[in-house]
Amino acid sequence: EVQLVESGGGLVQPGGSLRLSCAASRFTFSSYAMSWVRQAPGKGLEWVSVIRSSDDTTYYADSVKGRFTISRDNSKNTVFLQMNSLRADDTAVYYCAFGVTGFGDYWGQGTLVTVSS
Amino acid sequence: DIQMTQSPSAMSASVGDTVTITCRASQGISNYLAWFQQRPGKVPKRLIYASSSLQSGVPSRFSGSGSGTEFTLTISSLQPEDFATYYCLQYNSYPLTFGGGTKVEIK
Repeated sequence: EVQLVESGGGLVQPGGSLRLSCAASRFTFSSYAMSWVRQAPGKGLEWVSVIRSSDDTTYYADSVKGRFTISRDNSKNTVFLQMNSLRADDTAVYYCAFGVTGFGDYWGQGTLVTVSS
Repeated sequence: DIQMTQSPSAMSASVGDTVTITCRASQGISNYLAWFQQRPGKVPKRLIYASSSLQSGVPSRFSGSGSGTEFTLTISSLQPEDFATYYCLQYNSYPLTFGGGTKVEIK
């Protein structure tokens, strides 16, 4: 069974940085685009970023562009999200996810990021 | 960017009712539309992809339709476990965008 396990969340001060990881297993990781999706407390889902499998092309939501960087290490079956200049409104559960058919077949359990002083 | 407008934002329904949720895209997205269910404290679960294809393991009372800019999710004979929040998502182009969500509550 496909497994996605996020880690790296925690409490960080405004302006700080955090690096999230998503370890993937039981599928051919290098063949799929990987995304991050977040959900602020009590709010809806917001897609954050994607890294393609074919050429490592990346895309970002406007809300994180210039502050967040997505990357992947196919040798370790892991996707990362480097988050800099964090703000209170970045507080959310961060999920990694991908699709075999379209998007969103598989999701991790999420990791909570809290930005607060 | 493509905006997804979902309606209603909340609704009350009874067990056995038929419920319809609508998503409108700000531009055509062909059939690149998925629907997700999220129960409180749980990970989103995909119900429908490609507008009308039922995810494996999802009950047949869930159905989707539409193409272009107008899409619907229909839940026939609502069950107690269906009380949750539902989201549409367009994956026609980046950035991917979710609708605002529809909370289905017990009447």
